Amino acid sequence: GQQLNQSPQSMFIQEGEDVSMNCTSSSIFNTWLWYKQDPGEGPVLLIALYKAGELTSNGRLTAQFGITRKDSFLNISASIPSDVGIYFCAGQLRSGGSNYKLTFGKGTLLTVNP
Amino acid sequence: IAGITQAPTSQILAAGRRMTLRCTQDMRHNAMYWYRQDLGLGLRLIHYSNTAGTTGKGEVPDGYSVSRANTDDFPLTLASAVPSQTSVYFCASSEHGYSNQPQHFGDGTRLSIL
Repeated sequence: GQQLNQSPQSMFIQEGEDVSMNCTSSSIFNTWLWYKQDPGEGPVLLIALYKAGELTSNGRLTAQFGITRKDSFLNISASIPSDVGIYFCAGQLRSGGSNYKLTFGKGTLLTVNP
Repeated sequence: IAGITQAPTSQILAAGRRMTLRCTQDMRHNAMYWYRQDLGLGLRLIHYSNTAGTTGKGEVPDGYSVSRANTDDFPLTLASAVPSQTSVYFCASSEHGYSNQPQHFGDGTRLSIL
């Protein structure tokens, strides 16, 4: 099946620094999604991207849908302690003419040092 | 606040016992999903339902069953629990399974099988 390579696996940064993480795939997707998961909670949707080349912001977060439809990145500017968590990318593609199937990356663990 | 409610939040269960994880959503979403999250393996789809009365198998369906009697509820049953089913289980929903609208997640059930 489709697999997503998400990198880096973990990051340890100082408060105020910018952060960048990305996902790549050998297959194309129709939609790219970025989620954040805090300890003990479920993933929360941050940004959804629907068109190749699309660049979308949500506050200090910016994400882009790669032109080839095989990759996406997420940037966080001026990080703050509450940005700590696991960030997941997910690609969505219609599977076999039926459901849209969601494939998740393995996550990037972000630690922010105050 | 609208969203997905999962119960219980955590459970310790003896192997061989039957267990049902509950999931309720109040967003009137047509599609619902069950995932398990394991360290190093990310989120994997167990079963899904596009609408009340229909269900489908995901990536790792063995040992699990689901039902969808109405739009709001999507319980997941382990007929005879085994230790390899120790995991964190997330229920999710989306407006339609046949559209690329993003999935929204509950806060999970942490299940330990001894």
